[in-house]
Amino acid sequence: GAVVSQHPSWVICKSGTSVKIECRSLDFQATTMFWYRQFPKQSLMLMATSNEGSKATYEQGVEKDKFLINHASLTLSTLTVTSAHPEDSSFYICSAKSLAGLYEQYFGPGTRLTVT
Amino acid sequence: AQSVTQLGSHVSVSEGALVLLRCNYSSSVPPYLFWYVQYPNQGLQLLLKYTTGATLVKGINGFEAEFKKSETSFHLTKPSAHMSDAAEYFCAVSEGNQGGKLIFGQGTELSVKP
Repeated sequence: GAVVSQHPSWVICKSGTSVKIECRSLDFQATTMFWYRQFPKQSLMLMATSNEGSKATYEQGVEKDKFLINHASLTLSTLTVTSAHPEDSSFYICSAKSLAGLYEQYFGPGTRLTVT
Repeated sequence: AQSVTQLGSHVSVSEGALVLLRCNYSSSVPPYLFWYVQYPNQGLQLLLKYTTGATLVKGINGFEAEFKKSETSFHLTKPSAHMSDAAEYFCAVSEGNQGGKLIFGQGTELSVKP
């Protein structure tokens, strides 16, 4: 149980285009989803917290107009990187917290974004 | 604000040897502490967690960690390393009033030599 999927697992896009990454909780309802960014050989940096049906809360320094987050249902959150640039290339990981799980987050497998 | 420090970005042990990965935290409220493992190009898998109660917590794959409030530590151990334990390990802290937001340490890469 407690499986989180991400799609796509990897994506290459051209500079200036937008790309959408999906995060789904497959066997539980997620009241809260988190989006992280990870550079090679580095730790995870929280980008934003999204709650179903409400606006995402972004961490300091994260451009909310560039990284659009939509948590439309209890099983789906999306991250859209708008007008992507090479410096946006990174590993993006989502996690989900269930209604029942007070403390635990379940992580997706990550999405590798390369902007050329 | 809470923070996590992992001592040693890289630890190398021989197969069968003790694994010790160090984690110290800073938190203004009772912390919830986690250890995660990450294999290359994959997401994170929870090894174990401490929330309340017994300070020695056992996790998957033979790992355990002990919460020591006086030392603000939550070190991860495993008595005998296996080749399959080679991975990146992250310690994280979550404050209960932060809605589950996790703050991660820098990570420790564990290598296991045959």
